[in-house]
This record gives sequence, C-alpha cells and structure tokens, in this order.
Amino acid sequence: QSVLTQPPSVSAAPGQKVTISCSGSNSNIRDNYVSWYQQLPGTAPKLLIYENKKRHSGIPDRFSASKSGASATLGITGLQTGDEADYYCGTWDSSLTAGVFGTGTRVTVL
Amino acid sequence: QVQLVESGGGLVKPGGSLRLSCAASGFTFSDYNMTWIRQAPGKGLEWLSYIVTSGTTIYNANSVKGRFTISRDNAKNSLYLQMNSLRAEDTAVYYCARRATVTMSHCFDFWGQGTMVTVSS
Repeated sequence: QSVLTQPPSVSAAPGQKVTISCSGSNSNIRDNYVSWYQQLPGTAPKLLIYENKKRHSGIPDRFSASKSGASATLGITGLQTGDEADYYCGTWDSSLTAGVFGTGTRVTVL
Repeated sequence: QVQLVESGGGLVKPGGSLRLSCAASGFTFSDYNMTWIRQAPGKGLEWLSYIVTSGTTIYNANSVKGRFTISRDNAKNSLYLQMNSLRAEDTAVYYCARRATVTMSHCFDFWGQGTMVTVSS
C-alpha cells in the first residue's frame, strides 16, 4: 500500500553508522520535500528531519539526511541503544494529492 | 506545552460507525493544518486525511474516500474523524498530528498518543 519503499531492517553495532533508503517516484520524493520520523516502541512517531535534510528542534547531529532525484536517505552515526526504533520517510504525492509514508525500517543495535 | 489528545476509539462491528476526536492545547489550533494518520497492528504508518486551518480544503487517501470525513471546530480546538462503513482492515491506532508551519514540507511536528479502533464482530 505504501508508495515509498524502505528496507525492512538495518543493524549495526553501537557507535557504528547505519543508512536507511527511501525510494519513491517523481510525483512524491523528486517533486516534494521529504521528512523522516522515529517511532520508539509503543510510542507515537517523532519528527526527526524535514525539508530533506533539516533537523527538527532538539534532534542531535548524529542524524542526517539527503535527497537525490526520487530517493532519499537517512543516516545515523554513533549508533546508540536508544536509537533502536522504527524509522519512516514521508512526503506529499502530487499525483495522489495525498501524503505518503514509507514502508518503515527497523533499526537494531547489535 | 503542545498537547494533542485523541479519544473515541473502541470496539465496533463491521459496517458500523465511530467518531474520533482530537483535543488540542498549548498552541493556537486555528493556525495549523491538521491530519489523521493510522497504524494497523504491527504495520507501518498510513496517511488518511488532511484539513487546512479554515476547514475549506480537505484531502483524503483513496482507502477512506467516501467513508471517512475529517472536520474541525476551531472554537473548540478540536479535530474530528467520522468513520462510517468500518471494515476489519480499519483496525488500527489512529493518530492526530499537527502539520509543521515553519516549512513547506508536508510533515508533522506534534502527534497525539493515539486511540485504538478495533473493527470486529
């Protein structure tokens, strides 16, 4: 159902880096800003990144993001156990005239 | 502080109706566009419906068009979702969320804690 595709899971050891991809199309990612959300277990999602690469208030610079064409990427460096969560990309789809989210990626700290 | 508190969830039979509410506080509700997003058990986020500050423009996901209606009462600082013809696949946690105004991004800077809707006979 999601129009944005993410890998189901990524993992790395504490202190290492992970990257999460978000693949879409011209009508969503290429033509609109991308945002990223973190959802810790049992809680509501929290905004991490907006306008493709800007960190929301209070988000540490360990979190970074970029966009190229119809794809976007979230990176987390200095991985901590507290980063274990589900991460979602989101944007507007100009063809659907609706918001869309990615399929979600579970980050596991080994 | 900003708070969004959803209510109105519960158990409903297939074909039934439910009205969700989202009470906003800690900010000027009438200045913000709002949205409903849901998450089925163990699944990802699904954007459902979006309403602008005045209530005059609404966007809906195809999955709920004709069945769900978003509305708002700025005088009561409240957002609503009227859900009709409910199906088992509508079972989910329903979140209301505030669209961020500091950006052109279609993104949401505050979310409620969610209310659970279960559709089952």
